[in-house]
Amino acid sequence: DAGVIQSPRHEVTEMGQEVTLRCKPISGHNSLFWYRQTMMRGLELLIYFNNNVPIDDSGMPEDRFSAKMPNASFSTLKIQPSEPRDSAVYFCASSPGTGAYEQYFGPGTRLTVT
Amino acid sequence: GENVEQHPSTLSVQEGDSAVIKCTYSDSASNYFPWYKQELGKRPQLIIDIRSNVGEKKDQRIAVTLNKTAKHFSLHITETQPEDSAVYFCAASPPSNTGKLIFGQGTTLQVKP
Repeated sequence: DAGVIQSPRHEVTEMGQEVTLRCKPISGHNSLFWYRQTMMRGLELLIYFNNNVPIDDSGMPEDRFSAKMPNASFSTLKIQPSEPRDSAVYFCASSPGTGAYEQYFGPGTRLTVT
Repeated sequence: GENVEQHPSTLSVQEGDSAVIKCTYSDSASNYFPWYKQELGKRPQLIIDIRSNVGEKKDQRIAVTLNKTAKHFSLHITETQPEDSAVYFCAASPPSNTGKLIFGQGTTLQVKP
């Protein structure tokens, strides 16, 4: 299995531009999680899906952030418009069940907004 | 909601010594406690986990203990090696059917050769 796949691995953009991060979970996994990691705030859960349905988006910082999961093998996290404070590493993780299961992280997308 | 506190934030040990990282959680109904290791520039990777019906679990040089009464769990690394140097995160899974994890703030472990 290829594991969780994320693209792009690095993204540099200017303030005000739209950014789209992509994630392909491990095949057969039912849950998908989006995290943001910074030195100041650590690992923050932004939103998660169970069976493609968003369950809790309370961690999404503001309306500029949105996430979708149109099918079981693909999810996107979009930031529009981007701001310098959005610079961080964004991880996607998937889990094999909807209960208490281990999460497997993707390699992350390092986003820099100038 | 669930809250996880992790201590210490940094830990430095000599190669061969043991290292212990402790976490406390607030929701007594939490039932799953994984530990992740994150090397510099890499993704967090699961190294060991424990469920609420077990008090201790070992895997070679690492072990996790759980005290449900006190609501804390600990990671023990014996015979530390330089390659154990990384950031370690604990997490707790609140009692829901969603698989959500609440992470601690992380501990930076440095193993000096």
